[in-house]
Amino acid sequence: DADVTQTPRNRITKTGKRIMLECSQTKGHDRMYWYRQDPGLGLRLIYYSFDVKDINKGEISDGYSVSRQAQAKFSLSLESAIPNQTALYFCATMAVAGGPGTGELFFGEGSRLTVL
Amino acid sequence: GENVEQHPSTLSVQEGDSAVIKCTYSDSASNYFPWYKQELGKRPQLIIDIRSNVGEKKDQRIAVTLNKTAKHFSLHITETQPEDSAVYFCAASLSFGNEKLTFGTGTRLTIIP
Repeated sequence: DADVTQTPRNRITKTGKRIMLECSQTKGHDRMYWYRQDPGLGLRLIYYSFDVKDINKGEISDGYSVSRQAQAKFSLSLESAIPNQTALYFCATMAVAGGPGTGELFFGEGSRLTVL
Repeated sequence: GENVEQHPSTLSVQEGDSAVIKCTYSDSASNYFPWYKQELGKRPQLIIDIRSNVGEKKDQRIAVTLNKTAKHFSLHITETQPEDSAVYFCAASLSFGNEKLTFGTGTRLTIIP
């Protein structure tokens, strides 16, 4: 089945370290997203991309950067991790308007990051 | 930007009873309102959605209602079962297929056997 795959699934790191979370998808969707989930705060959008040349900031982009290496790959980087970036991170994809599954977000399994 | 508020944050109901989760939104231009369910340790998945040209939509035991005048929408689950235990998120966006969904803060629903 077509899917959204995130690596690593769990990561523990120290303050100041550089961390990259990777996302790949076989759904053939153009749009890719990174969300952060914190208890009591829901899902908050960090960055989103329409294609390899189109990257957009979400509501909480400070402290994060992204790279869209190919239509199927979208990575999230924390250049210098800090403890309040401890969270569950989700990658997601969405079909372009008018295509199958349009409007529905398809999430990966999540990457749990702990910054000590 | 859009702001979505969701209540309650936790909800416990007896198996077989109904559950209702409510959301309000701030941007009157929003036209698409999906609901996602996240089971423990799993990824969120879309369970139902509604567009602004419809007041209510049903899918078996779940239904969503929308009041555009009051800017609120609700998820109704009838005849609750243990597998309904999960965190539910409402969301809003300007249009179906719009790239930016704003999510509510989530409701943890527990079904008591």
